[in-house]
Amino acid sequence: EDKVVQSPLSLVVHEGDTVTLNCSYEVTNFRSLLWYKQEKKAPTFLFMLTSSGIEKKSGRLSSILDKKELFSILNITATQTGDSAIYLCAGGGGTSYGKLTFGQGTILTVHP
Amino acid sequence: EAQVTQNPRYLITVTGKKLTVTCSQNMNHEYMSWYRQDPGLGLRQIYYSMNVEVTDKGDVPEGYKVSRKEKRNFPLILESPSPNQTSLYFCASNQQGSNQPQHFGDGTRLSIL
Repeated sequence: EDKVVQSPLSLVVHEGDTVTLNCSYEVTNFRSLLWYKQEKKAPTFLFMLTSSGIEKKSGRLSSILDKKELFSILNITATQTGDSAIYLCAGGGGTSYGKLTFGQGTILTVHP
Repeated sequence: EAQVTQNPRYLITVTGKKLTVTCSQNMNHEYMSWYRQDPGLGLRQIYYSMNVEVTDKGDVPEGYKVSRKEKRNFPLILESPSPNQTSLYFCASNQQGSNQPQHFGDGTRLSIL
């Protein structure tokens, strides 16, 4: 059975702090690792990672994948209150490459 | 505007009364999927479809049915809803399954009494 585990489950920080969110995965026929941010409604896409060791960056957010150790991290530097959200990671694979397994999510709260 | 549309957005119903949640996308995507989201459990995939008439089970398919008769529509059917199916449901679509990020609908909140 495919499994994706995120840690920590919840994190409270102050504005300006740097946070690291973790995601480990066991996915059959692994193809991709995706990160999403969810505020009040639907998840919005952040990153998709398919190759080990190549960092992807978007502003203050960055992410990297380690396919040997089966994990990914999402870093957020200089956090702002607008970063408060649930961060979800998902492993994609399966026999028809349509299966996507999400982790439980990390609830990030950024205080002013 | 590219979008995934779910209906209804909210529904309160009773145990055993069949219901259908519709999902439609206007992006000509081949891949569509249904998820449920429960506190502390993240998103769990119910069913997915790689193309018309091609569907497969996700991680939590029990109690649900789907059909994909047309490319744009992927309805989720609860034949005999039970309280443990009370949840927030999301439909999503993309062109290449797990090789691409998905476009999500705004969600349907179901309460089964």
